[in-house]
Amino acid sequence: EAQVTQNPRYLITVTGKKLTVTCSQNMNHEYMSWYRQDPGLGLRQIYYSMNVEVTDKGDVPEGYKVSRKEKRNFPLILESPSPNQTSLYFCASSLLPPGQGYGYTFGSGTRLTVV
Amino acid sequence: AQSVTQLGSHVSVSEGALVLLRCNYSSSVPPYLFWYVQYPNQGLQLLLKYTSAATLVKGINGFEAEFKKSETSFHLTKPSAHMSDAAEYFCAVGRYSGGGADGLTFGKGTHLIIQP
Repeated sequence: EAQVTQNPRYLITVTGKKLTVTCSQNMNHEYMSWYRQDPGLGLRQIYYSMNVEVTDKGDVPEGYKVSRKEKRNFPLILESPSPNQTSLYFCASSLLPPGQGYGYTFGSGTRLTVV
Repeated sequence: AQSVTQLGSHVSVSEGALVLLRCNYSSSVPPYLFWYVQYPNQGLQLLLKYTSAATLVKGINGFEAEFKKSETSFHLTKPSAHMSDAAEYFCAVGRYSGGGADGLTFGKGTHLIIQP
């Protein structure tokens, strides 16, 4: 089944403890992106990638890192999480430029709580 | 920069009534527009998209949207609401930057409530 898989689905962690949220897609998509969803704010783009080793910042990149060493994987890294990073995170992918009419396929989300 | 504004964070309609969710966009280039739906505890699912082929776009589950350039709008409608339509709906526009098209910019969402 074609899908975007995120792990874990739920995560509770403490301030400052490094964590990684994994994202993998099995559709051979070029484009991948990370969003965070917060009540009243909608979805905001954190980072995106247009191909292997090509990544760039979105609207809210502070406190996050990403890497794209393989086409299928796009992990999100929080090196020193803080409570304001408590949020629902979505990974998304697209075969062709999503902003040019192709849109994204989304994962099921990761709910992160930082205490 | 491209942006979208969704009017109404919550919309309540009776089962069987018309559903109208409003979205206005701002874009300096011809826009590509999307509607996504999010059911509780799930990811986002594409409902429909506008790619300039036709101004009236039909999507899944009986939804449709009309692109009106003069009004910079892309409102989502469904003639008869069903209880299963209760969800969060997001309007989005294609993003462009110096590096080219780089994703979607989303509105803040509209929570659709269906009254029995």
